[in-house]
Amino acid sequence: QKEVEQDPGPLSVPEGAIVSLNCTYSNSAFQYFMWYRQYSRKGPELLMYTYSSGNKEDGRFTAQVDKSSKYISLFIRDSQPSDSATYLCAMTALRGTASKLTFGTGTRLQVTL
Amino acid sequence: GAVVSQHPSRVICKSGTSVKIECRSLDFQATTMFWYRQFPKKSLMLMATSNEGSKATYEQGVEKDKFLINHASLTLSTLTVTSAHPEDSSFYICSATGTGGLETQYFGPGTRLLVL
Repeated sequence: QKEVEQDPGPLSVPEGAIVSLNCTYSNSAFQYFMWYRQYSRKGPELLMYTYSSGNKEDGRFTAQVDKSSKYISLFIRDSQPSDSATYLCAMTALRGTASKLTFGTGTRLQVTL
Repeated sequence: GAVVSQHPSRVICKSGTSVKIECRSLDFQATTMFWYRQFPKKSLMLMATSNEGSKATYEQGVEKDKFLINHASLTLSTLTVTSAHPEDSSFYICSATGTGGLETQYFGPGTRLLVL
């Protein structure tokens, strides 16, 4: 079993839709959870960063963490064509700068006009 | 956010040659740099962690003699793929962290290596 599971998609939605992206994980030691956006042939860009369980909102993006279920989500409201990218979840047990991140495989999102 | 650059962005080389990829933190000092490899439609696979002035720590299964990492300064780390073979063709991405914790881990734009 992989430490982090993420549906690779592709996920295609019309412009304006609400998008739900999810990851499950098996390591209960994970406490720090991140979502990255990666455009084709580019490096990942940090979108959201959360600690432990709960919700965090930033503009059109909301990150949710449910540690009891080992399940994290990223919601995108009012999706735009510019949101078309691959979204990677990542997580780690320690906050230190040398902490290694464990990534999901990424979900490819396509927002159509 | 801070900027991490990689050079070159794309390289094609012949089998048996060595290729050096540079990773630079442009506006901050990176205490730690990470090197990842990414296959098409796959996630990032951590290859090694490097701290300035010390030897890199390689992940299990990564050949340290094949992938040489040098972290000579707080703003520069290099990855050299020695005696490259077609199976080394991949997208190589570095990341650099400052002193502020995980949220300050910034990724470079990646280097696409094609070995013929």
